[in-house]
Amino acid sequence: QKEVEQDPGPLSVPEGAIVSLNCTYSNSAFQYFMWYRQYSRKGPELLMYTYSSGNKEDGRFTAQVDKSSKYISLFIRDSQPSDSATYLCAMSSGNTGKLIFGQGTTLQVKP
Amino acid sequence: NAGVTQTPKFQVLKTGQSMTLQCAQDMNHNSMYWYRQDPGMGLRLIYYSASEGTTDKGEVPNGYNVSRLNKREFSLRLESAAPSQTSVYFCASSEGVGYSYNEQFFGPGTRLTVL
Repeated sequence: QKEVEQDPGPLSVPEGAIVSLNCTYSNSAFQYFMWYRQYSRKGPELLMYTYSSGNKEDGRFTAQVDKSSKYISLFIRDSQPSDSATYLCAMSSGNTGKLIFGQGTTLQVKP
Repeated sequence: NAGVTQTPKFQVLKTGQSMTLQCAQDMNHNSMYWYRQDPGMGLRLIYYSASEGTTDKGEVPNGYNVSRLNKREFSLRLESAAPSQTSVYFCASSEGVGYSYNEQFFGPGTRLTVL
């Protein structure tokens, strides 16, 4: 079983929809939770990060962490075609600097 | 600032050939990483260098070697390429252990095909 599980999709939604992306994990030592966005044929870029449990909001994006359930989510409100990309969750215990990535979910937002 | 740069962008090899992927960063970061990305597998860590002068194996190190040439540069070598090493390779860098969440910055990737 992988340490981090993420549904690879693909996920296709109409413009303006609310998108929910999720990851589960098994290592209770993870403290830092991140979402990276990767456009086609590009390197990943950090979108949001959260330390420990709770919510964090940045514009149309909200990241949630539920450590008791070992479950993290990324919500995208009013989705736009420019949001079409692969979204990768990543986690770290903070001790080694290494990140463990999920498989990535490919999102397409149709105009 | 160029951030993280990788060369080459594309490469086709025959089975058994060798090659070195180059990576450089201009952010004065301490840590550098090599990943491979395959469909449905996400990013898997091959090797990393926590600081200049150190290297450690990641999740999938077999068939690869690395060299941390100096603080800026971290190369990945395939000594005898195999078709299973067909992948997209990403280099990344970060400030290092002890710096908050240690955001990793990625290069544009190298697309490698082994025939």
